[in-house]
Amino acid sequence: EIVLTQSPATLSLSPGDRATLSCRASQSIRSYLAWYQQRPGQAPRLLIYDASNRATGIPARFSGSGSGTDFTLTISTLEPEDFAVYYCQQRSNWPPLTFGGGTKVEMK
Amino acid sequence: EVQLVESGGGLVKPGGSLRLSCAASGFTFSYYNMNWVRQAPGKGLEWVSSISSSGSSIYYADSVKGRFTISRDNAKNSLYFQMNSLRAEDTAVYYCARELGDCGGGSCSSAEYFQHWGQGTLVSVSS
Repeated sequence: EIVLTQSPATLSLSPGDRATLSCRASQSIRSYLAWYQQRPGQAPRLLIYDASNRATGIPARFSGSGSGTDFTLTISTLEPEDFAVYYCQQRSNWPPLTFGGGTKVEMK
Repeated sequence: EVQLVESGGGLVKPGGSLRLSCAASGFTFSYYNMNWVRQAPGKGLEWVSSISSSGSSIYYADSVKGRFTISRDNAKNSLYFQMNSLRAEDTAVYYCARELGDCGGGSCSSAEYFQHWGQGTLVSVSS
């Protein structure tokens, strides 16, 4: 089973700041990684797939990069609605499909 | 507009059973692989099961294998999850989720990412 480790667990930032979130895989997953955003009380929303492709309707301030074992989600300028929990997910080697433990982006 | 609406959750005793349903609309249901993903209270996301567009390929997480059964009825645009021998650790919000890409028109471009999600249904297992 591929384990995804996200860091940091919590990121305390202000609106307008740049956010950099990390996801590390226990073995190479090539570029088969997605990022999701989950706001409180809501279902997750797909942001990025195949490491760097924005999903339909996702603003350009969200970008993804990386391949192999190290991946990054960057939010260039935080908007108030971006304060949420972010998860990475791999589909390289499954079952099982696996998620990281999440990074909470909170307002400082 | 794609809509996924789960139902069937509730409070059940350990060892009991529940059947979840997911009603799909706004897309050609028979073209898409579907999944169940769960989230325990205050915890992260856990994939639990997948079913291919035709229903011919089915996968489970080890945590539910042998106890839960995924199925679909393409004529009714519905996904199901039969949950037997429920345990306290199965307590979670259960989401049905549609994959990115489709398997229609004679070819398959599906990718095991979750593009659309329902609102979730809460399953609580407690005595």
